[in-house]
Amino acid sequence: DTAVSQTPKYLVTQMGNDKSIKCEQNLGHDTMYWYKQDSKKFLKIMFSYNNKELIINETVPNRFSPKSPDKAHLNLHINSLELGDSAVYFCASSHLRNTEAFFGQGTRLTVV
Amino acid sequence: GEDVEQSLFLSVREGDSSVINCTYTDSSSTYLYWYKQEPGAGLQLLTYIFSNMDMKQDQRLTVLLNKKDKHLSLRIADTQTGDSAIYFCAESRGLTGGGNKLTFGTGTQLKVEL
Repeated sequence: DTAVSQTPKYLVTQMGNDKSIKCEQNLGHDTMYWYKQDSKKFLKIMFSYNNKELIINETVPNRFSPKSPDKAHLNLHINSLELGDSAVYFCASSHLRNTEAFFGQGTRLTVV
Repeated sequence: GEDVEQSLFLSVREGDSSVINCTYTDSSSTYLYWYKQEPGAGLQLLTYIFSNMDMKQDQRLTVLLNKKDKHLSLRIADTQTGDSAIYFCAESRGLTGGGNKLTFGTGTQLKVEL
């Protein structure tokens, strides 16, 4: 009965590959997010989706393409992976006007 | 602009109080948050405070907000070894299309020693 779940938890892949990270929330929230945490633990928002529509894209390269098939899912597809993409990616969700954002456990992506 | 700063490290002895400080720059922030991250784990929301409040207490946690100085602090009373983690403050702004954008601080690594 996990609220925000991400898969996989760990992902190791070679440069140039394409990979996806999946996120699902069972909280009935209508807004979902992707955040990136780099090796220095800095956390920064990447995308925000509301009811399957993109709200913000914080200067993320075009190689990153979020997809929201329904409001309970927000998947992150990354093309042509680069070494600098290595990070922990967190999915989160919240109600439209609610204050609390609930985070998933994170996906540690390592590009070699 | 949005900028949130925290000191990087704090070391306390078990049973003492811990105070983690945070400064932010965006005066339009509606809510301010404290999140906890244990090693290898996700982000756990500890508490939050609305921007028109100056204090909030929740069991061992006390949040103080000085809106004039844009200063936020988290006090943990009777700190335990299980409190060792990274603590992030974050400010929130509503997004026009819905939802909120969280801008996180740099994180403070709290180490609790016996």
